[in-house]
Amino acid sequence: DTGVSQDPRHKITKRGQNVTFRCDPISEHNRLYWYRQTLGQGPEFLTYFQNEAQLEKSRLLSDRFSAERPKGSFSTLEIQRTEQGDSAMYLCASPDNEQFFGPGTRLTVL
Amino acid sequence: AQKITQTQPGMFVQEKEAVTLDCTYDTSDPSYGLFWYKQPSSGEMIFLIYQGSYDQQNATEGRYSLNFQKARKSANLVISASQLGDSAMYFCAMREGRIQGAQKLVFGQGTRLTINP
Repeated sequence: DTGVSQDPRHKITKRGQNVTFRCDPISEHNRLYWYRQTLGQGPEFLTYFQNEAQLEKSRLLSDRFSAERPKGSFSTLEIQRTEQGDSAMYLCASPDNEQFFGPGTRLTVL
Repeated sequence: AQKITQTQPGMFVQEKEAVTLDCTYDTSDPSYGLFWYKQPSSGEMIFLIYQGSYDQQNATEGRYSLNFQKARKSANLVISASQLGDSAMYFCAMREGRIQGAQKLVFGQGTRLTINP
């Protein structure tokens, strides 16, 4: 257990629906990262928070994606109007030197 | 240009043998960190070992060691005395410097390791 939790662990949704994932990082870590991992690939960076400020976003993060980190604690990642291509594992990382990952949310869009 | 290259899509090893998983990287930043993660079928990313670019000695963590050859830009993972539970995907990743900025990780494609009894 890395101390990083994610909810839900699995999400199955129909195309066009909105979904929201939550990440609770290690409490004393002020940085938080989101990554996306599609089947057979390594994780790819999506976005980064320093406390409550979203400081960097990947080009992978289309307009349908939005991430927040109110009060610099937990973070949410919302995908609007889901597409089948959004099916992936969404990983949250709360870094120290080793950048610990949460267990991930596996999204399946039907 | 790909920053992390793992050239072995799959590896098959007999139990108790040592195994080396290859990783080469590309960066012009003098300050960087190299990571290895294990990802079992459950999907969680398990941190194994870290090597900083300025570290003088190769990193070791139990049965894991990192063969760091800076001039060759390689950071191979060595697992000694492999066990059945070592069967998983293994990812090499790099973090480039810039302490003040996003220290995001860039991952390779991974190597699927299978340990045979």
